[in-house]
Amino acid sequence: QVQLQESGPGLVKPSETLSLTCTVSGDSISNSYWSWIRQPPGKGLEWIGYMYYSGTSNYNPSLRSRVTISLDTSKNQFSLKLSSVTAADTAVYYCARVTAAIDYWGQGTLVTVSS
Amino acid sequence: QSVLTQPPSVSGAPGQRVTFSCTGSSSNIGAGYDVHWYQQLPGTAPKLLIYGNSNRPSGVPDRFSGSKSGTSASLAITGLQAEDEADYYCQSYDSSLSGWVFGGGTKLTVL
Repeated sequence: QVQLQESGPGLVKPSETLSLTCTVSGDSISNSYWSWIRQPPGKGLEWIGYMYYSGTSNYNPSLRSRVTISLDTSKNQFSLKLSSVTAADTAVYYCARVTAAIDYWGQGTLVTVSS
Repeated sequence: QSVLTQPPSVSGAPGQRVTFSCTGSSSNIGAGYDVHWYQQLPGTAPKLLIYGNSNRPSGVPDRFSGSKSGTSASLAITGLQAEDEADYYCQSYDSSLSGWVFGGGTKLTVL
């Protein structure tokens, strides 16, 4: 049973960097692509980016200049960094596994950007 | 404005059949990229419902089915149940954006 769990601060100040970690159990992060998706309150899903353990990555063009996704194979974790955040980045952030599609999702973590 | 267009809402009575549309363009669905569908129950994370246009993951009832034609895709639910009340999202790849795109989502109300 694959499980993903997001962790990180629930409150980030404007202009600072949002940092989240996803801990994976039941699968090795060397086996699949891993992704971050977010959902602003009351709105739809927005793809942030994905990465493969080989280093192959792809990011949403609208966020590319501010986003970094990295993998830590020793801890079986992957992380998200989003810089220069504003209130528009307030959302529930989901980490997920990608095979043929996004087949496993974390429960999500709400990150609020506010001073 | 989402690259993939979904109607905001759909409704149906228990036992009925409902369909959800997902309209794209020549740079995504029309280019042959697969469409996937997700169900998001209130307050929960999305769940994969259909992958590769018409394939059901293990555990998804055969009441759910997907299809694709031209620049559009559809999700159908037969034998509608109260527990199906949720938001449904389509997702594909867009070559113009060089990335994944989601539809805006459709809220299903079971009357």
